[in-house]
Amino acid sequence: EVQLVESGGGLVQPGGSLRLSCAASGLTFTNYWMSWVRQAPGKGLEWVANIKQDGSEKYYVDSVKGRFTISRDNAKNSLYLEMSSLRAEDTAVYYCATNPIYRDYEDHWGPGTLVTVSS
Amino acid sequence: DIQMTQSPSSLSASVGDRVTISCRASQSIRTFLNWYQQKPGKAPKLLIYGISTLQSGVPSRFSGSGSGTDFTLTISSLQPDDFATYYCQQTSSTPRTFGQGTKLEMK
Repeated sequence: EVQLVESGGGLVQPGGSLRLSCAASGLTFTNYWMSWVRQAPGKGLEWVANIKQDGSEKYYVDSVKGRFTISRDNAKNSLYLEMSSLRAEDTAVYYCATNPIYRDYEDHWGPGTLVTVSS
Repeated sequence: DIQMTQSPSSLSASVGDRVTISCRASQSIRTFLNWYQQKPGKAPKLLIYGISTLQSGVPSRFSGSGSGTDFTLTISSLQPDDFATYYCQQTSSTPRTFGQGTKLEMK
C-alpha cells in the first residue's frame, strides 16, 4: 500500500523559511514524478510544483517561483519543499502526491501538513 | 495559465439523484482532464483521469465525458458517501490548474 506522510509544517513569521518533507513507502519511488499541492483554509486546490523521477526537471506555479524549491532524495524515498520569503498567502495545508511515470495525474496523496504564516 | 471553471459552485441533491458537474477550460486541453473528490479534512482522491478512465476502486456510478474545452462529471445515482467537493484539473500544461470546486450537499 502506498503511503505518503508530510511533515515540517508549523507557524512561521512573514519573511521566514520552512522545509517540508514527504516520506514515501509502499512504492518504487523512482517510478514517480512527485508533486506538491496546497489548499488555503476554506479554499480550493492549488498545484505548487513537481519534480521528475531523477530530479532533472522541476516546475513551479508562478506565485512561488524564486521562493520555493522542490527536491527529492531517491535513496531515502523522500520529497522536500524548501520555502523562503514566506507570505501570509502561503498559509495552507500542503499535500505531497505521486504522479506515475508516463501518466498525467496525481494518484496518491498524503494527509497534508499545515503551514501558517503569521506574526 | 489555463483557467478551469466549474459549474455550479454548489449543488443540493438527494440520494438516488443523477448529478452532473461541468468543467470548462480556457483553451483546449486535449484529453488531460482529471476529476478529484475531497471530503472535509481529508486529502483529495483521484476519481477519473484522461477525461473518462475510472481510477481503480472507484464505483461505476461515476463517469466522465467531454472533449477539447468542455467536460462533465456525472454521478448516475447519488449515494450517501458521495457528498463531498469535486475538483477538475488540467494537466495539459504547466502549471497544472484546478477548477474552483463544486460542493455537493444533501438536500
